[in-house]
Amino acid sequence: TQLLEQSPQFLSIQEGENLTVYCNSSSVFSSLQWYRQEPGEGPVLLVTVVTGGEVKKLKRLTFQFGDARKDSSLHITAAQPGDTGLYLCAGGGSWGKLQFGAGTQVVVTP
Amino acid sequence: DSGVTQTPKHLITATGQRVTLRCSPRSGDLSVYWYQQSLDQGLQFLIQYYNGEERAKGNILERFSAQQFPDLHSELNLSSLELGDSALYFCASSVATGTGNTIYFGEGSWLTVV
Repeated sequence: TQLLEQSPQFLSIQEGENLTVYCNSSSVFSSLQWYRQEPGEGPVLLVTVVTGGEVKKLKRLTFQFGDARKDSSLHITAAQPGDTGLYLCAGGGSWGKLQFGAGTQVVVTP
Repeated sequence: DSGVTQTPKHLITATGQRVTLRCSPRSGDLSVYWYQQSLDQGLQFLIQYYNGEERAKGNILERFSAQQFPDLHSELNLSSLELGDSALYFCASSVATGTGNTIYFGEGSWLTVV
């Protein structure tokens, strides 16, 4: 059973457009992580959010952690083809025993 | 390159067989994790070892076992394989365990059971 629900499952946009990916849960998490996975590779950590209401920026990527620490969002501004990939959110108390969402496949076309 | 090395990259085997997947963690990392990724189940945590000892267990079948050796490399053994075991198996490592440690994933081992 997936404790983390991601939406949408698939997103296809043109280069230069903005997009938002959501990660929701009925459970409270001490922290949430966002990963990006490209074909043939393992997930790569993008960011960790730990405080309710926290906002973190990584270049064109903005991550938010909900006040109640049950949800998070990832917003990409002016998407580029290099942003194409599977975006995964993960939560959990112990870093190793992470619960992953099913992921959002993002495709950015030139 | 995450520094985590997994072998083999691809493996095709028949039902009922047994395979061993190998993982070398990043230099200096004491914690090793195994994950299974499939289309229907997503990325699932299987098991974690820290400095040779089992630390946490997830959705790992009884037909599967793992160990971490004194040199810190790890092996995941999959036996009595079934078609449904076909998946991408990831190894990951971190310096320690607990809050604050970044986990680095290897490129995975593709297992196809026919």
